[in-house]
Amino acid sequence: SQQGEEDPQALSIQEGENATMNCSYKTSINNLQWYRQNSGRGLVHLILIRSNEREKHSGRLRVTLDTSKKSSSLLITASRAADTASYFCATDAEGGSNYKLTFGKGTLLTVNP
Amino acid sequence: EAQVTQNPRYLITVTGKKLTVTCSQNMNHEYMSWYRQDPGLGLRQIYYSMNVEVTDKGDVPEGYKVSRKEKRNFPLILESPSPNQTSLYFCASSGTYYNEQFFGPGTRLTVL
Repeated sequence: SQQGEEDPQALSIQEGENATMNCSYKTSINNLQWYRQNSGRGLVHLILIRSNEREKHSGRLRVTLDTSKKSSSLLITASRAADTASYFCATDAEGGSNYKLTFGKGTLLTVNP
Repeated sequence: EAQVTQNPRYLITVTGKKLTVTCSQNMNHEYMSWYRQDPGLGLRQIYYSMNVEVTDKGDVPEGYKVSRKEKRNFPLILESPSPNQTSLYFCASSGTYYNEQFFGPGTRLTVL
């Protein structure tokens, strides 16, 4: 079953603009991760935010987590054409024997030069 | 260089012909996992392994087998491939299941 769901499914912006992607999930989590995938290639880890954190930064990336709403957002500031890729959130379940990292379906970001 | 390797990268086969996709990591990771990626469905986990000789089913295990005899290797076996197993397959590894996962380059499989 899909734990994380990204929104929107696709986003097209101009270079220099900011891009915001959202992720919603259903059950309590330990951590939430964001990954990036260039067309047909392996996923690359961007950032991990723990359930007791509310915001995290890495370069031009800003991730927020709202556990009360079971949602997270990824903001890419001052976007570049090279940011064109699919972005996925991934969540792990809290407790129990569920040792899985579950990915959403992704947001396809297109940054136009 | 720390990496996850998969072989083959591309494979075209026919229904029913057994095949194995290999996966190897050089980071001494305990956790390894196989995913398939299909358009509109995102990544779905097939099997995962917490450590040597410990494997468990993911969300879509039907038609697949795995083994974890050594820490570095986690092969994916399709005993009798069918066309609905045509997909892009990724192997990944991490220190623990909730940490950053390192992905292989992918194996594009076509079953005719």
